[in-house]
Amino acid sequence: LAKTTQPISMDSYEGQEVNITCSHNNIATNDYITWYQQFPSQGPRFIIQGYKTKVTNEVASLFIPADRKSSTLSLPRVSLSDTAVYYCLVGANTGNQFYFGTGTSLTVIP
Amino acid sequence: DVKVTQSSRYLVKRTGEKVFLECVQDMDHENMFWYRQDPGLGLRLIYFSYDVKMKEKGDIPEGYSVSREKKERFSLILESASTNQTSMYLCASSFVADFPSSTSDSSEQYFGPGTRLTVT
Repeated sequence: LAKTTQPISMDSYEGQEVNITCSHNNIATNDYITWYQQFPSQGPRFIIQGYKTKVTNEVASLFIPADRKSSTLSLPRVSLSDTAVYYCLVGANTGNQFYFGTGTSLTVIP
Repeated sequence: DVKVTQSSRYLVKRTGEKVFLECVQDMDHENMFWYRQDPGLGLRLIYFSYDVKMKEKGDIPEGYSVSREKKERFSLILESASTNQTSMYLCASSFVADFPSSTSDSSEQYFGPGTRLTVT
C-alpha cells in the first residue's frame, strides 16, 4: 500500500503561487497520483490526476519526476477561496489500495 | 453531472442501535467506497465495493459491514453503534479506468456531502 506524506499545513498570501509536495516512496507501477480539495462540511473534490511528467488543467498543475516517488501540486495565484485541505492520493483504480492521509491544510492570507 | 447522495446529513443514534447509512450514485459507476473522517486522522477507508455483491475491507472495517445489492446503492451498516463511531461518514464512487498510457484516464472519486453521525 503506497502511503503518502504531506506537510500538515501551509500559509500563503493572496496572489502567490503555492506548491504542495507529496512523498510516495512505495508507489506501484499501476498507481495514479491524484489530488483532491476539501472545504469544511463538504466531501473532497477532484482537482487533478497524473501518472508521469506534467499535467495541467484550468485550476492546477501536477509535476511528477521520473522516479514518481513524489509529486507537486501547483496552484497559481491563489485566492482566499483556495483555503482548504488538499489531499494527495496514490493508488490503482481497482482494489482497495487507496490512502488519503491527513492532507495539507492551506490557509490563504489577504 | 455525477451525483452521489447520502440518506442523511445529520444523524443521532444511541449506543447499541443498528445504524444504516445509505449511498446512491447515478452514473453507473462500478466502484463505491465508504470513508470516515475524524479530526487529525484524515479520511480512512472502511470498505470498498467494485461490483454488485462484491466488497473488500479497507483500513478500518472493524465494527462495520456493507451491502451492495444494486449497482447504484452501497450501504454501510453499524451493527451495534458505539460512541467511538461518532464521525463524519463519506461515500464515494468512481468508474474503472483503463491502465494509463502517456495521458492518464481519470479515475476520480465523486463524493457525497457526508453524514455526520453522533452516537450517544
